[in-house]
Amino acid sequence: DVKVTQSSRYLVKRTGEKVFLECVQDMDHENMFWYRQDPGLGLRLIYFSYDVKMKEKGDIPEGYSVSREKKERFSLILESASTNQTSMYLCASSSDRGGDTEKLFFGSGTQLSVL
Amino acid sequence: AQSVTQLDSHVSVSEGTPVLLRCNYSSSYSPSLFWYVQHPNKGLQLLLKYTSAATLVKGINGFEAEFKKSETSFHLTKPSAHMSDAAEYFCVAHPLYNFNKFYFGSGTKLNVKP
Repeated sequence: DVKVTQSSRYLVKRTGEKVFLECVQDMDHENMFWYRQDPGLGLRLIYFSYDVKMKEKGDIPEGYSVSREKKERFSLILESASTNQTSMYLCASSSDRGGDTEKLFFGSGTQLSVL
Repeated sequence: AQSVTQLDSHVSVSEGTPVLLRCNYSSSYSPSLFWYVQHPNKGLQLLLKYTSAATLVKGINGFEAEFKKSETSFHLTKPSAHMSDAAEYFCVAHPLYNFNKFYFGSGTKLNVKP
C-alpha cells in the first residue's frame, strides 16, 4: 500500500523555536508538497518540490523554508515559529508517470501548536 | 484566475437519505476536477476525479459527481448516506496548464445523523 508518512502527529513548540516537520514517501514520486490546513480556508500551498534539491514557492511561503536532499524526503522548516503558524500541516506527493499523475497522496498531518 | 467554491460549510443528513455537496469552479480553461474526503485525524483521500472522459464520474463508497460545464459545477452526490460518510469533503481543481497547482475549496463537513 502506498504511503506518505509524517513524523509527528502532534507538536507543541514555543515562539521563536526552529521547527522541523518531516515527510517521507515510499512511492518514488517526483513531486512533493507542503500544505497548511486552517478551518474555513481549505488547503493552502506553502512549497512544493518537483525533484531533488528543486523547490518552488507556493501561495504562502513567508516564514517557511523547505529541504529536499533525497527523493523520498521533504522537510518543512519554520525558521522562527510564531503563534500564527499554529495549524495542521499536510504533506502530499504525486507522480509524473503512469495513469494517476494528477492524484495527490496525503500524509495524516501534523497538528502544530505554537505557544 | 482559478477558484473553487464549496457552497456549504456544513451539511447534515439522516442516515439512509441522499447526500448533495455542492461545488462550483471558475476557470478560463476546463480543469481536471476532484473530490477528496478527510476523515477525522486522517489525511485526504481521493474519492473521484473528472478528466473530460465522461461527465458523470463514479467514485469509491457509492459517491458520484456530475460535471456541468454550462453551470461550472461539480456537485458530489450519494443516494443513501451511511454513518461512516461523516467527514470533511474537499472539491479540488487542477488546471491542465500548471501541473503543480491544485486549487482547494474551503471544505464541507458532512454530519450523518442516526
